[in-house]
Amino acid sequence: DTGVSQDPRHKITKRGQNVTFRCDPISEHNRLYWYRQTLGQGPEFLTYFQNEAQLEKSRLLSDRFSAERPKGSFSTLEIQRTEQGDSAMYLCASSLLGFDTEAFFGQGTRLTVV
Amino acid sequence: DQQVKQNSPSLSVQEGRISILNCDYTNSMFDYFLWYKKYPAEGPTFLISISSIKDKNEDGRFTVFLNKSAKHLSLHIVPSQPGDSAVYFCAASGETGNQFYFGTGTSLTVIP
Repeated sequence: DTGVSQDPRHKITKRGQNVTFRCDPISEHNRLYWYRQTLGQGPEFLTYFQNEAQLEKSRLLSDRFSAERPKGSFSTLEIQRTEQGDSAMYLCASSLLGFDTEAFFGQGTRLTVV
Repeated sequence: DQQVKQNSPSLSVQEGRISILNCDYTNSMFDYFLWYKKYPAEGPTFLISISSIKDKNEDGRFTVFLNKSAKHLSLHIVPSQPGDSAVYFCAASGETGNQFYFGTGTSLTVIP
């Protein structure tokens, strides 16, 4: 399978705990995106990497959120001190560098904060 | 500030007929537009795209039309099939490609 892979698929955590999600993009893709989706809404942009550089972050991304992409390969998204409002589907996508390129999404990680 | 809007939350169509899903955008700097299909509990799947230099792009049963002056695009599915039942998201990006802006989705039901 050469698609975008996300792990875990589901995560239930208690409020106040830290969680970390992993994304493995399509191997030749330089660009990697994190999105969040809640019920009834479209995916909302969180952050963007070009290779290992984090080039853009949404204002939605509070200080409790941090993302990394060491060596420009896989990426991790960590949420510290989770809150119930963090419950959502977290989506990772990757794309080639260049104009007019589509992003390919992974299956997502469903986070439930109880 | 919703820069990409899908004003119809749902649409029902008979099998074999045409499905038309609409999308409006506000940012004139957008130059690439995409449609994604999403099943419950899965990530969005890329369907079809169009560059701002074109006004139409076809791929099998799917055609996307772009009207730049009206800042409007539409996805036509013909003939519609029950397997097309899903939520469809419209997305747009600017020339940097640093992010994609998504609409809120239209849930399509194709009735056998």
